[in-house]
Amino acid sequence: NAGVTQTPKFQVLKTGQSMTLQCAQDMNHEYMSWYRQDPGMGLRLIHYSVGAGITDQGEVPNGYNVSRSTTEDFPLRLLSAAPSQTSVYFCASSYRGLIYNSPLHFGNGTRLTVT
Amino acid sequence: GDSVTQMEGPVTLSEEAFLTINCTYTATGYPSLFWYVQYPGEGLQLLLKATKADDKGSNKGFEATYRKETTSFHLEKGSVQVSDSAVYFCALSDLLTGGSYIPTFGRGTSLIVHP
Repeated sequence: NAGVTQTPKFQVLKTGQSMTLQCAQDMNHEYMSWYRQDPGMGLRLIHYSVGAGITDQGEVPNGYNVSRSTTEDFPLRLLSAAPSQTSVYFCASSYRGLIYNSPLHFGNGTRLTVT
Repeated sequence: GDSVTQMEGPVTLSEEAFLTINCTYTATGYPSLFWYVQYPGEGLQLLLKATKADDKGSNKGFEATYRKETTSFHLEKGSVQVSDSAVYFCALSDLLTGGSYIPTFGRGTSLIVHP
């Protein structure tokens, strides 16, 4: 199993550009989520999904869109990039079901710079 | 709401020293508790977990005991190695109304081990 795969690993955008960060998992996990990691701020939840067709906002959703058309994929879209979105982005997934204390499985991150 | 508080870092130790990283939490229910580790350039990975009071999680020489009376889950290791240098995140997972959960993370504690 590949686990959680994120692409690209690095990206540089100009202010106002749009892009999609890809996330795919092959573990049949129901729960998927996106975090951003900034120095001194820890991990902040952007959006999450508890199953295909279901998404919800996390702590810092502004400027980001998500969709969940399949169990495997959970792309994160930046509509109009801003320098404040410079960060490292992590996708994470977990089995939900009755075992709610299942740990998260993380991808290796996408380092995004907006100039 | 739920929250996790970790000691601020960086924690700097010499090889073979004893390690403690403090973690306390607030939660409305009966959460499961986790420690994740992030090595440079990688995503987070589960280090250990405990699902109920007085449980001890352990892995790779690290241990943490779920203390409900003090709402704590301190991470310890008897003899650290240079390879333990990483950022450590304490987290909790609490079952919310509706049967879904959103993990809550602390801000992370950087550990630097010198030879």
